[in-house]
Amino acid sequence: AQSVTQLDSQVPVFEEAPVELRCNYSSSVSVYLFWYVQYPNQGLQLLLKYLSGSTLVKGINGFEAEFNKSQTSFHLRKPSVHISDTAEYFCAVTHGAGSYQLTFGKGTKLSVIP
Amino acid sequence: DGGITQSPKYLFRKEGQNVTLSCEQNLNHDAMYWYRQDPGQGLRLIYYSQIVNDFQKGDIAEGYSVSREKKESFPLTVTSAQKNPTAFYLCASSIGPSVGELFFGEGSRLTVL
Repeated sequence: AQSVTQLDSQVPVFEEAPVELRCNYSSSVSVYLFWYVQYPNQGLQLLLKYLSGSTLVKGINGFEAEFNKSQTSFHLRKPSVHISDTAEYFCAVTHGAGSYQLTFGKGTKLSVIP
Repeated sequence: DGGITQSPKYLFRKEGQNVTLSCEQNLNHDAMYWYRQDPGQGLRLIYYSQIVNDFQKGDIAEGYSVSREKKESFPLTVTSAQKNPTAFYLCASSIGPSVGELFFGEGSRLTVL
């Protein structure tokens, strides 16, 4: 069985400051990892994904994440946040190649303070 | 524009009533999903469908039912057997298995009075 742990439920950060949203996973099989963003009262949108290859993955809106197999982590980072980054962020992992099931973390609410 | 349309956006229901949430996609995706979102709980998979006329239970299927008679449509019925139906429901689709990208609708918020 898989699980995803997002270590912080809420992260406040000042505008133009850097931010890191933490995600750890557990899995007994090869993993494919994702970060999604949800703006208030909307659906989710893919930020980035790791399937294989380079462990540093770049996504939309200036976000990036690093896959660390030894630490079973996939932390999301942005060097300088904007007010428009205020949203909820979800880390997710698949059950393996060919799976139709994603396991989501409980989410981290990022609040950017002017 | 291609996308996923969920309706209604807001829905109120009395206890004991069944309610059906609509989900339509024009992305020509084979796979469709229903998730439930509760505050602080993330997303939990209710049902998913890989192809027309086929669907599988997710982690929390009890009290819900689905059908997949057309590729474009994947309605969800919340039955009176669902003990705590008040939640935000999200429909999604993907080209194939979930190593690709899931595309989400804007959600339907169900409140049981």
